[in-house]
Amino acid sequence: GAVVSQHPSWVICKSGTSVKIECRSLDFQATTMFWYRQFPKQSLMLMATSNEGSKATYEQGVEKDKFLINHASLTLSTLTVTSAHPEDSSFYICSASLGDPRIGQFFGPGTRLTVL
Amino acid sequence: SQQGEEDPQALSIQEGENATMNCSYKTSINNLQWYRQNSGRGLVHLILIRSNEREKHSGRLRVTLDTSKKSSSLLITASRAADTASYFCATGGRGATNKLIFGTGTLLAVQP
Repeated sequence: GAVVSQHPSWVICKSGTSVKIECRSLDFQATTMFWYRQFPKQSLMLMATSNEGSKATYEQGVEKDKFLINHASLTLSTLTVTSAHPEDSSFYICSASLGDPRIGQFFGPGTRLTVL
Repeated sequence: SQQGEEDPQALSIQEGENATMNCSYKTSINNLQWYRQNSGRGLVHLILIRSNEREKHSGRLRVTLDTSKKSSSLLITASRAADTASYFCATGGRGATNKLIFGTGTLLAVQP
């Protein structure tokens, strides 16, 4: 149980276009979903915390107009990278929480974004 | 930055040997978790230790936590080539958000 999927697994786009990444909890309802980005050979950096039905909470330094997060249901959160540029190329990973801090988060497989 | 530090950054051992990774953090925590990541993949949760616990075991994994030193260690015993991966510690805060702050990671290579 506790499977999280992401779609697409990889995407290549032209500079200036927008890209939407979906994160789904397949067999449970996630109280909260998180979005991270990871540059090559680096750690995960939390971008934002997403709660169903409310606005996402962004970490310091993350542009909310650049990275749009929508959490329409307890099983789906989307991250849209607007007007993507080459420096946005990264590995984007989502995770889902059951709301109990004693249980670890469940991570999706990640989405590799390459902006040309 | 609140990000934790891990050492070593990279570790190469032979199959059968033990691997020890250390993690230090900066803020007070509710729990500390260890995750594994194979190259280019998502993270897999390995073990969680609460702030009031000092040691925890799961299979070949042993985790210790010293809150006075703000540090934790992950020991993998009798390592296998399949253990080759990056290992991250992550701290869960005392707030209600459950958000995690990840360490810098240790790249473990187990040579067959």
